Amino acid sequence: GAVVSQHPSWVICKSGTSVKIECRSLDFQATTMFWYRQFPKQSLMLMATSNEGSKATYEQGVEKDKFLINHASLTLSTLTVTSAHPEDSSFYICSSKDVRQGLAQPQHFGDGTRLSIL
Amino acid sequence: GNSVTQMEGPVTLSEEAFLTINCTYTATGYPSLFWYVQYPGEGLQLLLKATKADDKGSNKGFEATYRKETTSFHLEKGSVQVSDSAVYFCALREEDAGGTSYGKLTFGQGTILTVHP
Repeated sequence: GAVVSQHPSWVICKSGTSVKIECRSLDFQATTMFWYRQFPKQSLMLMATSNEGSKATYEQGVEKDKFLINHASLTLSTLTVTSAHPEDSSFYICSSKDVRQGLAQPQHFGDGTRLSIL
Repeated sequence: GNSVTQMEGPVTLSEEAFLTINCTYTATGYPSLFWYVQYPGEGLQLLLKATKADDKGSNKGFEATYRKETTSFHLEKGSVQVSDSAVYFCALREEDAGGTSYGKLTFGQGTILTVHP
């Protein structure tokens, strides 16, 4: 079964609205979560690395005031797209790794959130 | 920096045909290599992985061998099915010299596979 739950799976909203996406690790502790963005027919681009209890690390070119990340617990990270506009429409995917697992074990991905801004 | 290059798609095959999707990488350290599959409208699922040179990852009939000498991790399947139609991503994760994974994945651009009956 799924070990990373992402919610919502699909959201449509008006321009100017802020949208919050949740990423939960279901049966493991995730000190680090990753947020990716995927444009249609393109690869995943890492947006930011979310660390529990500290500020997120953003990749170059990603606006941290636009994409707010909060990782307040070991099982939950949230991405808030503030004042969303049509160009923010995309597929957002989170992933995480069970820190108890051995080295080189893979990450677990959420099912993604499709964001459509009208 | 790290990079992953996949063969351009889309790839269209008939059922039971042989599949190869090429993947090459550049990395400064000792990466682990992965293949992920994304079905339409869904997130990513791990297909297979290899953590060191000459390792072969395999799952659901798919195979890929970690070739350090050619910096490649080509995906193969001997007989594809319609249900294999999806987007396939090759990815690497750098492990530092001490073996502690930072966790950041670098993805290839993805290859769309369509299998016809």
